[in-house]
Amino acid sequence: AQSVTQPDIHITVSEGASLELRCNYSYGATPYLFWYVQSPGQGLQLLLKYFSGDTLVQGIKGFEAEFKRSQSSFNLRKPSVHWSDAAEYFCAVESGSARQLTFGSGTQLTVLP
Amino acid sequence: GAGVSQSPRYKVTKRGQDVALRCDPISGHVSLYWYRQALGQGPEFLTYFNYEAQQDKSGLPNDRFSAERPEGSISTLTIQRTEQRDSAMYRCASSPGNSPLHFGNGTRLTVT
Repeated sequence: AQSVTQPDIHITVSEGASLELRCNYSYGATPYLFWYVQSPGQGLQLLLKYFSGDTLVQGIKGFEAEFKRSQSSFNLRKPSVHWSDAAEYFCAVESGSARQLTFGSGTQLTVLP
Repeated sequence: GAGVSQSPRYKVTKRGQDVALRCDPISGHVSLYWYRQALGQGPEFLTYFNYEAQQDKSGLPNDRFSAERPEGSISTLTIQRTEQRDSAMYRCASSPGNSPLHFGNGTRLTVT
């Protein structure tokens, strides 16, 4: 069965600093991978997705993620964090046939002024 | 509205009562999903529909949980004889087909 691990429960960065959120997955076939962001009281918003092709994918709000098959990773990055990026971030893998998403447990991002 | 709409936003109920949670997907979206999110965790799959057909209900925890989407649009997730362990955020998502999911803001269920 597929699984997703987000090893960092909570990360704190200063505004303007770079960010990397880690995600490791376990899945038997070529994965479809996603990053979602959840702000307080809001739904989950899709940041970016990887289906195939270029392993570096660009998303909204200046985020990008790189798929590394050899490391089973799909880490999320942003060169310069803004205070409005403070939120909870979830990595997810889709199982192809049922289109179910399996989510990691999330990483809470705090941004210091 | 442009997004997935869920109601109520908050529901407090006493143990043993039945609850019904409603999801109104984005117009025209074929697929509809239900997820449950416990505090401090990521969402967990419950069930999903294509049109009115329930395609997969493997994530429903037990037979107290059921879902329907009778006309292929609005869906209702029903929990019978609620228990405290049912307390969670229940999220609905929809998709036009072979595309990423669009999530609603969720219903926060508290069973006292």
